[in-house]
Amino acid sequence: DSGVTQTPKHLITATGQRVTLRCSPRSGDLSVYWYQQSLDQGLQFLIQYYNGEERAKGNILERFSAQQFPDLHSELNLSSLELGDSALYFCASSEGRGPPGELFFGEGSRLTVL
Amino acid sequence: AQSVTQLGSHVSVSEGALVLLRCNYSSSVPPYLFWYVQYPNQGLQLLLKYTSAATLVKGINGFEAEFKKSETSFHLTKPSAHMSDAAEYFCAVSDRNSGGYQKVTFGIGTKLQVIP
Repeated sequence: DSGVTQTPKHLITATGQRVTLRCSPRSGDLSVYWYQQSLDQGLQFLIQYYNGEERAKGNILERFSAQQFPDLHSELNLSSLELGDSALYFCASSEGRGPPGELFFGEGSRLTVL
Repeated sequence: AQSVTQLGSHVSVSEGALVLLRCNYSSSVPPYLFWYVQYPNQGLQLLLKYTSAATLVKGINGFEAEFKKSETSFHLTKPSAHMSDAAEYFCAVSDRNSGGYQKVTFGIGTKLQVIP
């Protein structure tokens, strides 16, 4: 058990819809990362938050947004969903802000867009 | 930007044989390098990490990796494969973004199959 909790574990929805994925980091961890894992593109970095503030952006689409709340949990919002958004979305947390911090991963949220 | 390249998206070994998973990095400064493992239906977990303290790094479950600057490599090895080693393995590099925050970039992953 990594200590990182993600909900829901599975989600099936239709194209055009909007979903919210939730992540609770390990107790004490201030950094939260979101990654998208798909068969053809591997593990892609989406966005990072540190203590409530966005600190880095990766290959995140404009249809996607995220935030980290004062209690440090984070949400990833995916809107106007397309078939290609079907993937496994991971949240990870780490204690500090700089390298080389170990990332602790949740078990992921599997999104299927029909 | 730093990056890692994993050679071989699928590797098959016999039980008891040597495991060798290849990773090459691209970095203009001494890198921080990691190997993570993902078992089926689970998240990634850290196997080992290189932070410049020692070039040979030992990790969990009998795995180790050697940092070779001259070859820009950080290959993962295990002397004798076990059935439980069947998983996907990710090489990763960590550096700082312009704001000083850690950015971790993962390789494409290598799926290890262990044949009885």
